[in-house]
Amino acid sequence: KQEVTQIPAALSVPEGENLVLNCSFTDSAIYNLQWFRQDPGKGLTSLLLIQSSQREQTSGRLNASLDKSSGRSTLYIAASQPGDSATYLCAVMVPAAGNKLTFGGGTRVLVKP
Amino acid sequence: KAGVTQTPRYLIKTRGQQVTLSCSPISGHRSVSWYQQTPGQGLQFLFEYFSETQRNKGNFPGRFSGRQFSNSRSEMNVSTLELGDSALYLCASSSDSQAHYGYTFGSGTRLTVV
Repeated sequence: KQEVTQIPAALSVPEGENLVLNCSFTDSAIYNLQWFRQDPGKGLTSLLLIQSSQREQTSGRLNASLDKSSGRSTLYIAASQPGDSATYLCAVMVPAAGNKLTFGGGTRVLVKP
Repeated sequence: KAGVTQTPRYLIKTRGQQVTLSCSPISGHRSVSWYQQTPGQGLQFLFEYFSETQRNKGNFPGRFSGRQFSNSRSEMNVSTLELGDSALYLCASSSDSQAHYGYTFGSGTRLTVV
């Protein structure tokens, strides 16, 4: 059974500092991995999608890496801003489980001005 | 292009009642999935539909059911509501049968059971 872990559960950084968010998963036979952002009481906003054959994806200040062999993905957010404050969730899809996302518990980020 | 639309945004129901939530996927998307989010359990998969067929179901009691219509719109129903059913219910859609391009989520329906 796929398990996804995100540590730490919460993170507070001063504005301008780079953010490093971690995601680990137990079953390396993933189809893809997706990073989401969630603001309080809102839905999920997709940030980056990494296919199993890819090592990284980039979008603006965001960069996500994927290392299937070690079961890890890292989301980097450069030069953090107060508007980056949110909960960040990673989710993996495993072919054996069908089209179902397994989510980590999320990392709650606070960027202090 | 409109995103995933969920209605209603908020609901308050009494224990024992039933509720129906609606989800309209992005135009052209044929896969619709439902998730429940609670502070204690996080995000948990409910079920997934593709072309009106339920392809996958999570570990939830039979009180939770769903369906998908020919226009890909989906509904989920919860009967005999319990206090523990209070949660944010999220719907997601994908463009292809294998979610190659990932999922797009709606804003959710906040259900409160009193």
